[in-house]
Amino acid sequence: QQQVKQSPQSLIVQKGGISIINCAYENTAFDYFPWYQQFPGKGPALLIAIRPDVSEKKEGRFTISFNKSAKQFSLHIMDSQPGDSATYFCAASSMKTSYDKVIFGPGTSLSVIP
Amino acid sequence: EPEVTQTPSHQVTQMGQEVILRCVPISNHLYFYWYRQILGQKVEFLVSFYNNEISEKSEIFDDQFSVERPDGSNFTLKIRSTKLEDSAMYFCASSTLGVDTEAFFGQGTRLTVV
Repeated sequence: QQQVKQSPQSLIVQKGGISIINCAYENTAFDYFPWYQQFPGKGPALLIAIRPDVSEKKEGRFTISFNKSAKQFSLHIMDSQPGDSATYFCAASSMKTSYDKVIFGPGTSLSVIP
Repeated sequence: EPEVTQTPSHQVTQMGQEVILRCVPISNHLYFYWYRQILGQKVEFLVSFYNNEISEKSEIFDDQFSVERPDGSNFTLKIRSTKLEDSAMYFCASSTLGVDTEAFFGQGTRLTVV
């Protein structure tokens, strides 16, 4: 119930292409869905986040799509660049039942090749 | 830009020894967290701390672990009687208002138990 599933485990995209990472959850109490970006040797950094009252959120080249009925959400990176190469974690938390705990997905290693 | 600072960056300890991992959160933040990431695996929540007490902890955070904010600036994670399986990257994070505001992560401390 507390798990967040994420796919693919790794992704290779050509420069300029679209990177798509998918996540799914079971716990309907989750109401906050952040995405984190992690470069080697660094801590995770918040990239973009969404609440279930909207179906899409866009910030620059990064877009989250959210499907509440399917309990799925995805990250799209448009015009992918080599500098986007990192590990991406989707995550979820619940303000209602577990105010402080963020559950991370297993991560996707993205490589953008020139 | 304000940042969360963790020391040491790498700690090697013998099995059975006690270690203290240190963190200096961002100065106006009120919520503090410890997460861990075993090599190649997902980031796991350990504990959150607010108003000088633990507000939530995971099943990983058993009696072997403790947290403290000894002097109003540092936030420490103590691991007693370390085990081989405690080897991981430990991340400290802090935020202003809890889980739905951005949590800033430190660079992490790599703990190696030998």
